[in-house]
Amino acid sequence: LAKTTQPISMDSYEGQEVNITCSHNNIATNDYITWYQQFPSQGPRFIIQGYKTKVTNEVASLFIPADRKSSTLSLPRVSLSDTAVYYCLVGVRPRDDKIIFGKGTRLHILP
Amino acid sequence: EAGVTQFPSHSVIEKGQTVTLRCDPISGHDNLYWYRRVMGKEIKFLLHFVKESKQDESGMPNNRFLAERTGGTYSTLKVQPAELEDSGVYFCASSQPGTTYEQYFGPGTRLTVT
Repeated sequence: LAKTTQPISMDSYEGQEVNITCSHNNIATNDYITWYQQFPSQGPRFIIQGYKTKVTNEVASLFIPADRKSSTLSLPRVSLSDTAVYYCLVGVRPRDDKIIFGKGTRLHILP
Repeated sequence: EAGVTQFPSHSVIEKGQTVTLRCDPISGHDNLYWYRRVMGKEIKFLLHFVKESKQDESGMPNNRFLAERTGGTYSTLKVQPAELEDSGVYFCASSQPGTTYEQYFGPGTRLTVT
């Protein structure tokens, strides 16, 4: 699995756009990039996955540059309820393998 | 569609006692995983079932932990005898085959060993 590096914590304010960047310099050709979100006292939740360029869903957007050595999770107009830990994962798809969680990014939204 | 459910939500037991955690995956999901997070640490993988077979149990900490998935539906994780360091939150997740990292997690069972 490619090693990932992301900020330990971030603060932002309600209504702002939040961008969380993950570095994965040794990403392999077949690796996909996946983000999970974990609210306090809940299990992690899959939010988005991509391979290249841009992916958007109802929760977030994922931007992946051409070299794929990093990716940015973008949360538009955050609210207090977006306070959570966000995990960046890199690995091959399809593969029903275990997830290796890092420390993630603890996002704290302020009023 | 019902999500992954876990029972109990909380359990407080004394050192040396036995506890059994249960996980009901999403119907039709062949893959079932157990993870846990101990205080202040990262979420760690314990084991992976494909239907009723153990695909990977490399994360099981020791032989005090026994996981079963009879019939390929729900799973149980028994800790016997429990030790203080077993305290933490135990998560169960399930997924369909061929969907890397798209695992659906339950709310977790918080286990406290005193």
